[in-house]
Amino acid sequence: QVQLVQSGAEVTKPGASVKVSCTASGYSFTSYYMHWVRQAPGQGLEWMGLINPSGGTTIYAQKFQGRVTMTRDTSTSTVYMELSSLRSEDTAVYFCARGEYSFGLYFDYWGQGTLVTVSS
Amino acid sequence: QSVLTQPPSVSAAPGQKVTISCSGSSSNIGNNYVSWYQQLPGTAPKLLIYDNNKRPSGIPDRFSGSKSGTSATLGITGLQTGDEADYYCGTWDSSLSASLFGGGTKLTVL
Repeated sequence: QVQLVQSGAEVTKPGASVKVSCTASGYSFTSYYMHWVRQAPGQGLEWMGLINPSGGTTIYAQKFQGRVTMTRDTSTSTVYMELSSLRSEDTAVYFCARGEYSFGLYFDYWGQGTLVTVSS
Repeated sequence: QSVLTQPPSVSAAPGQKVTISCSGSSSNIGNNYVSWYQQLPGTAPKLLIYDNNKRPSGIPDRFSGSKSGTSATLGITGLQTGDEADYYCGTWDSSLSASLFGGGTKLTVL
């Protein structure tokens, strides 16, 4: 069965960086794009970008350009999302989600989420 | 402020039907397919509908989706207390080259 398992909660300070991992199993890792979506406390879902695990190419939402880096390690079927220059507004639960494409894009499997708290 | 507009909340009694709307534009809903997600408190979103009106395996036919022009609708019939959750629409925006979500709708089953 498909599983996406994310790393544990992080507490970090303003101005620092955080790196969250997402390890996939139960399917061919390089056959599906992986997306990152975040959710601030009490707020809605916000798409951050995607990575193609096959070639490593990325697309980032304009809001996060210059601050986010998505990478992958095919030997461990793991994708990473690093967000830098953190501020309090980046406090959120970060999800990885597998992107599937039929006629349109949709997210069929999600990680459990990683809470990132930015606080001085 | 989300590009895709959903009502903040809807409510209905058990056994009744409810619809949740999602309004966008020609660059997103008008020219791309819509998906819907259910998020129970404290959990990750779960796919309910994809390609406007298709249900993944395991999703009961009480859940349905439709699209017309630049709007989409999620329908839920035979409401149960377990359906209380936040519901999000999603689609691709061709102008932004980005995936979008609606602001979310909180469903209360009275």
